[in-house]
Amino acid sequence: DIVMTQSPDSLTVSLGERATMNCKSSQSVFHTPNSRNYLAWYQQKPGQPPKLLIYWASTRGSGVPDRFSGSGSGTDFTLTISSLQAEDVAVYYCQQYSNMPPWTFGQGTRVEIK
Amino acid sequence: EVQLVESGGGLVQPGGSLRLSCAASGVTFSTFYMSWVRQAPGKGLEWVANIKQDGSDKNYVDSVKGRFTISRDDAKNLLSLHMNSLRPEDTAVYYCTSGMAEVWEIGYWGQGTLVTVSS
Repeated sequence: DIVMTQSPDSLTVSLGERATMNCKSSQSVFHTPNSRNYLAWYQQKPGQPPKLLIYWASTRGSGVPDRFSGSGSGTDFTLTISSLQAEDVAVYYCQQYSNMPPWTFGQGTRVEIK
Repeated sequence: EVQLVESGGGLVQPGGSLRLSCAASGVTFSTFYMSWVRQAPGKGLEWVANIKQDGSDKNYVDSVKGRFTISRDDAKNLLSLHMNSLRPEDTAVYYCTSGMAEVWEIGYWGQGTLVTVSS
C-alpha cells in the first residue's frame, strides 16, 4: 500500500501570512501515460465532511479561492495558502487515488491562527 | 446540484451486521468511481472501499476485507456497503464519495452516517 505522510502535524500562522504544508507518498503517484499526479488535497472543518480543494496535484476545485495552490510531482507535494484567512482554520488532508488502491490519506495537518 | 445522501447508520452490537446506502442525485452516477471513506471519532480519514464505474472492480482496505461488500445499482443511483462481523474499531462516520467530470475517482462527498459498534 502507498503510505502518505503529512508534515507538520499542526501549523500556527498569523492572519495574512503564508501557510505551507507537505505530503510525501511512499511510491510515485505520477502516471506517465497521461502525465498526471493522482494526488488530491481536502479541507475539513469541524462537523463537516471534507471539501475537495485540489486534484491532479495542482488543479483547484470549483469555487476554491486562488489563495490555495498545490504543487509537486512524483512523491513530494505541497499545499500553500498564500494569505491565511480566519475561515481557513481546518484540518487539511492529502490523498492518493492512483491505480493502486487503497486510496490512502495522510494523517492530516491542523492549521490554526497565531 | 450534486447530492449524496447516506443512510443506514446506527448502533449495532459487536459481531452484528449493517447495511449503509448512499442515494445520489445531480450526478451521472454510472460514469464515476464510487467510494466509502470513514472517520473514527476525533481521528483522521480512512478510505474503506471503492467500486469501478461498471462494478467490475472492487477494492477494500485490508482491515475490512472479507467482512464488508461494496455494491452499486446504476439504475437507481444507489451505492451500498454491506458490513458484517462488525467490531468496535469500525465505529466511525461513514462518508459516500463519488467522482466528477474532471476527475472520475474523487470529488463529491455526502454528509456521512454514524455507525457505532458497542455492546
